[in-house]
Amino acid sequence: GQNIDQPTEMTATEGAIVQINCTYQTSGFNGLFWYQQHAGEAPTFLSYNVLDGLEEKGRFSSFLSRSKGYSYLLLKELQMKDSASYLCAVRDYNAGNNRKLIWGLGTSLAVNP
Amino acid sequence: GAVVSQHPSRVICKSGTSVKIECRSLDFQATTMFWYRQFPKQSLMLMATSNEGSKATYEQGVEKDKFLINHASLTLSTLTVTSAHPEDSSFYICSADDTESGVYEQYFGPGTRLTVT
Repeated sequence: GQNIDQPTEMTATEGAIVQINCTYQTSGFNGLFWYQQHAGEAPTFLSYNVLDGLEEKGRFSSFLSRSKGYSYLLLKELQMKDSASYLCAVRDYNAGNNRKLIWGLGTSLAVNP
Repeated sequence: GAVVSQHPSRVICKSGTSVKIECRSLDFQATTMFWYRQFPKQSLMLMATSNEGSKATYEQGVEKDKFLINHASLTLSTLTVTSAHPEDSSFYICSADDTESGVYEQYFGPGTRLTVT
């Protein structure tokens, strides 16, 4: 079956670095996505990994290890506006519909001053 | 690029009535759109995959006769909540693949908050 796990809540301090982990189990891995969602708003795309390694985009980086079924999102120089829910999602080409994403429950990050 | 709009952003309706929500891809063609529902402090729940020119594919447990989906063109999909009840009150969000990006990332509309009284 398909399963995605990520921590429910995390807290960090402004200016610090935080790492949000995501582990997944799929039969036909075809890419992993990270989205950010502020309360009451729709998700916005952050990053995409399909090959092993680190993808860096400004203050945000995402890492993938396909052999371990593991990814993390790294947020540097945290700002108050980074307080949001971070959603890990996996595309599985065996999911019956190879375009849909399998979503984790999200990690609620609180950035404190 | 890759902008998705949704209308209305908020709607209040009476129990038993129907509500139509529109999802449009503004600057790209979307052969596939997705409809999600999200309850407060919960994650996204995929309701159905909407395919242009064909029937939608519903997820298990989603009533296709209650949540009518029409994807008549490459830029427009609609979700109609029929005979709405208070338990249908939720945040409904659509998304679309941008196939030209090569990544098939999903771009989300801003969402529609439905309140059924």
